[in-house]
Amino acid sequence: DTAVSQTPKYLVTQMGNDKSIKCEQNLGHDTMYWYKQDSKKFLKIMFSYNNKELIINETVPNRFSPKSPDKAHLNLHINSLELGDSAVYFCASSLGVSTEAFFGQGTRLTVV
Amino acid sequence: QQQVKQSPQSLIVQKGGISIINCAYENTAFDYFPWYQQFPGKGPALLIAIRPDVSEKKEGRFTISFNKSAKQFSLHIMDSQPGDSATYFCAASKAGAQKLVFGQGTRLTINP
Repeated sequence: DTAVSQTPKYLVTQMGNDKSIKCEQNLGHDTMYWYKQDSKKFLKIMFSYNNKELIINETVPNRFSPKSPDKAHLNLHINSLELGDSAVYFCASSLGVSTEAFFGQGTRLTVV
Repeated sequence: QQQVKQSPQSLIVQKGGISIINCAYENTAFDYFPWYQQFPGKGPALLIAIRPDVSEKKEGRFTISFNKSAKQFSLHIMDSQPGDSATYFCAASKAGAQKLVFGQGTRLTINP
């Protein structure tokens, strides 16, 4: 009964490949996010969706394309992976924005 | 441009002591200030949050002090325990912004 679940937990792939990360929340929230945590542990917003609509795209390269098939799911597809994409990617959800955001366990992406 | 600045970067406290982490923000439109706790390999989890209409909020051993005029807020952990060893993030958001802006994080170690 995990609140925000994302898969896979670990992803190791070669440069140039395309990969996807899936996220699902069972909290009935209307807002979902993708955050990136770099090697220095700095957390930065990438995308924000509200009721399946893209609200924020925080200057993320076009190689990153989020998709929200419904309010409970927000997937992240990454094309032509680069070494600099190596990071931990967190999915999160909330009911509105200035309320508690629940984070998933993260996906550690390593590009070799 | 770092909108939320957090210090110190790392902190070592003896068991039973008080841990204090500070944050300063620039945007006076921010109206929600949460603190998140992150253990290795896990996603951030909300610890405690405050809104600017109060100067202090306490939940168990955790207290947020908020100084609106100085645009600063801090987390105090009383009677710090080894289980409190984690990375702590302050954050801020404003109504309608659809995102949290995080501080750089503080790695807290409580020595037994």
